[in-house]
Amino acid sequence: DTAVSQTPKYLVTQMGNDKSIKCEQNLGHDTMYWYKQDSKKFLKIMFSYNNKELIINETVPNRFSPKSPDKAHLNLHINSLELGDSAVYFCASSQAWGVVTGELFFGEGSRLTVL
Amino acid sequence: AQSVAQPEDQVNVAEGNPLTVKCTYSVSGNPYLFWYVQYPNRGLQFLLKYITGDNLVKGSYGFEAEFNKSQTSFHLKKPTALVSDSALYFCAVRGISGNTGKLIFGQGTTLQVKP
Repeated sequence: DTAVSQTPKYLVTQMGNDKSIKCEQNLGHDTMYWYKQDSKKFLKIMFSYNNKELIINETVPNRFSPKSPDKAHLNLHINSLELGDSAVYFCASSQAWGVVTGELFFGEGSRLTVL
Repeated sequence: AQSVAQPEDQVNVAEGNPLTVKCTYSVSGNPYLFWYVQYPNRGLQFLLKYITGDNLVKGSYGFEAEFNKSQTSFHLKKPTALVSDSALYFCAVRGISGNTGKLIFGQGTTLQVKP
């Protein structure tokens, strides 16, 4: 069973479109994250939710909107896609926000290409 | 603010030789340090972590890391490199500052092990 699963794995779309990436974890974790990995492989945190509550919102454009319907799911919706949004987006989860010693478990990534 | 640096973009090692991938950190208070590995087109996999106690931490696939508080370093090591160890390695730090559990990643080091 995949612990953290993301769909779709690949996404190719035109500038200006709106797209969503879905993430689910079956680890029973309370905390979920979205990270962006750019073309230079640099990883930057975007958002974090703990038990459906937003706790990290980095300086991300308003076009990005996360939604957590329950603690096992964290989706990412992107409006008005721009060329610079092309990247690999990783979902991750960890036991709980307060458990600072816990490692993150990552999904396989969703590669978004904006043309 | 917490940060982590990996000074080498790439490390080249011959198979059978020992390897070291360097990491230095900056954090207020006690650091919690992690190493992850990313194989091509895959998500990040947890290797090991330092929380407290023994400065030498052992992890997956024969890797270990040495925590050095005075040098603020957490270098990843392996006594005998394998070609299959070739991948992208990330060091990460989480500090206790304002109760933040945010995990910050270094820029990554590509390890190339040649037969």
